[in-house]
Amino acid sequence: AQSVTQLDSQVPVFEEAPVELRCNYSSSVSVYLFWYVQYPNQGLQLLLKYLSGSTLVESINGFEAEFNKSQTSFHLRKPSVHISDTAEYFCAVSPQGAQKLVFGQGTRLTINP
Amino acid sequence: DGGITQSPKYLFRKEGQNVTLSCEQNLNHDAMYWYRQDPGQGLRLIYYSQIVNDFQKGDIAEGYSVSREKKESFPLTVTSAQKNPTAFYLCASRGRRQNTEAFFGQGTRLTVV
Repeated sequence: AQSVTQLDSQVPVFEEAPVELRCNYSSSVSVYLFWYVQYPNQGLQLLLKYLSGSTLVESINGFEAEFNKSQTSFHLRKPSVHISDTAEYFCAVSPQGAQKLVFGQGTRLTINP
Repeated sequence: DGGITQSPKYLFRKEGQNVTLSCEQNLNHDAMYWYRQDPGQGLRLIYYSQIVNDFQKGDIAEGYSVSREKKESFPLTVTSAQKNPTAFYLCASRGRRQNTEAFFGQGTRLTVV
């Protein structure tokens, strides 16, 4: 079985500061990894994904995540956050060979001016 | 436009009544999912379906039922057996290949009074 742990339920940061949202997973098989973002009262939108190849993946709005197989982690980072980044962020894993998609508990990112 | 539609956005029901949440997609996706979202608990998988006329229980299936008679539709019924049905419900769909991302609807907020 797969599980995902997001180590921080809430992360407050100041505008233009860097941020890291942590995600660890457990799985007995290889997985695909995803980060989603959710704005209030809306569905989830894909932020970025790791499928294979380069372990560093980037999104169009400045976020990046690095897959670390030995530490089973997929942490999300941004060097300088903006007020508009305020949202809840979810890490998810999908085991290769299966359709199940498992999410973490979410991390609420709050940006203070 | 292709997408996934959940209806209604808000739903109120009396305790003890069954209620059905609608989810329709026109993305030609094989897999569909239902998740329940509660504050601080992330997204928990209720049911998922990989193909028409087939579906599997997720982690919290008790008190819920689904059907998959058409590829485009995956309705969720919240039965009177569900002890605490008030929550935000999210539907998602995904292509056959596991290395693709899931697309989410805008969610249905169910309140049982």
